[in-house]
Amino acid sequence: QKEVEQNSGPLSVPEGAIASLNCTYSDRGSQSFFWYRQYSGKSPELIMSIYSNGDKEDGRFTAQLNKASQYVSLLIRDSQPSDSATYLCASINTGTASKLTFGTGTRLQVTL
Amino acid sequence: NAGVMQNPRHLVRRRGQEARLRCSPMKGHSHVYWYRQLPEEGLKFMVYLQKENIIDESGMPKERFSAEFPKEGPSILRIQQVVRGDSAAYFCASSPGGLSFTDTQYFGPGTRLTVL
Repeated sequence: QKEVEQNSGPLSVPEGAIASLNCTYSDRGSQSFFWYRQYSGKSPELIMSIYSNGDKEDGRFTAQLNKASQYVSLLIRDSQPSDSATYLCASINTGTASKLTFGTGTRLQVTL
Repeated sequence: NAGVMQNPRHLVRRRGQEARLRCSPMKGHSHVYWYRQLPEEGLKFMVYLQKENIIDESGMPKERFSAEFPKEGPSILRIQQVVRGDSAAYFCASSPGGLSFTDTQYFGPGTRLTVL
């Protein structure tokens, strides 16, 4: 079982819609979570981090964490074609401090 | 631009040669991490270093791979006797340190290694 799992997609949403990206994790010791965006051939770019249960909003992005269900999500409101990329979910486990464990990513396509 | 710097951006080596990848962390950052991304696969942790110390090398292959972060200069990831399976994108990330679980990592542009 992979430690961090994501649906590989592609997830296709029309421009202006809400994109919902999901991530589950198996290690209950995971304490913090990060969403990175990666354009093809480029490096990961940090979008958001979340450490506590609940929602965290930053502009058009909202991260949601539910530790009881071991579930993390990223919502992108008013999706734009420039949001088309692969979104990587990553976690840090308190026992293996500072090492990011990544999912394989979900490819998002925002259509005109 | 005070971001994470990596060089070279592209590196071509023949089987059996050595590859040296360099990483300079963001200004003010003292922690460096190396990750590898194989084609069509996710990012995998390799090694975590602070100045003059390897903190966690649990993701490093046991043979041919080594890393260092000297007191002066960039961090170096060294791959000896490269094989075709080493072809990948190698990313360096840095963080300022502090509480480990809130310590955010920022990635450099990567080095794309091709082994012929």
